[in-house]
Amino acid sequence: SYELTQPHSVSVSPGQTARITCSGDILENKYTSWYQQKPGQSPVLILYQNNRRPSGIPERFSGSNSGNTATLTISGTQAMDEGDYYCQAWDTSTYVFGTGTTVTAL
Amino acid sequence: EVQLVESGGGLVQPGGSLRLSCTASGFSLVRYSMIWVRQAPTKGLEWVSYISYSGYTTYYADSVKGRFTISRDSVNNSLFLQMNSLRVEDTAVYFCVREGAGWRAGMDVWGQGTTVTVSS
Repeated sequence: SYELTQPHSVSVSPGQTARITCSGDILENKYTSWYQQKPGQSPVLILYQNNRRPSGIPERFSGSNSGNTATLTISGTQAMDEGDYYCQAWDTSTYVFGTGTTVTAL
Repeated sequence: EVQLVESGGGLVQPGGSLRLSCTASGFSLVRYSMIWVRQAPTKGLEWVSYISYSGYTTYYADSVKGRFTISRDSVNNSLFLQMNSLRVEDTAVYFCVREGAGWRAGMDVWGQGTTVTVSS
């Protein structure tokens, strides 16, 4: 089965840059999406096709892919960016989510 | 307003069945592929099932294959998940999700979720 591995948690000072990695063989030459989930809420799509932002998503969210690793970057992290983040990819009739990363703004 | 509203969750004994429903508004199901995603208590997201916009193609996670069936009613703009032979490990919040238009455009609309509890 496919796996996407993310760090369990990332801490960042407000105003600084947070980077969340997502690693897995499934990412080779595949699009990655990213989702933000706050406690008690449904996930929200924040990036798709590696680095495209849906309408309404702030520019401070960006993404990149290299080989079998995708990276979500939050530039100028704000307190409101705290929450859980999941990467997601697709391959051969299977959708896979990453293990999830909790972002804390200290 | 584009919206997805799930219903049908509840408490069921192991081995039992449930049918989840998802009513879409603000868009037509026949123009989008649809997905079910679940989240067990304090756990991450897990993809469950997919149905193409045409309705002809369906996929299932290995964990539910042979037990769950995804379907839709284009007249009533509704998506369903028939869940049979339920197990304790199927306990989760189940989200109805729209896949965005375009190739691998992400899951762009999520419902609020419906809770399924499998317990004796």
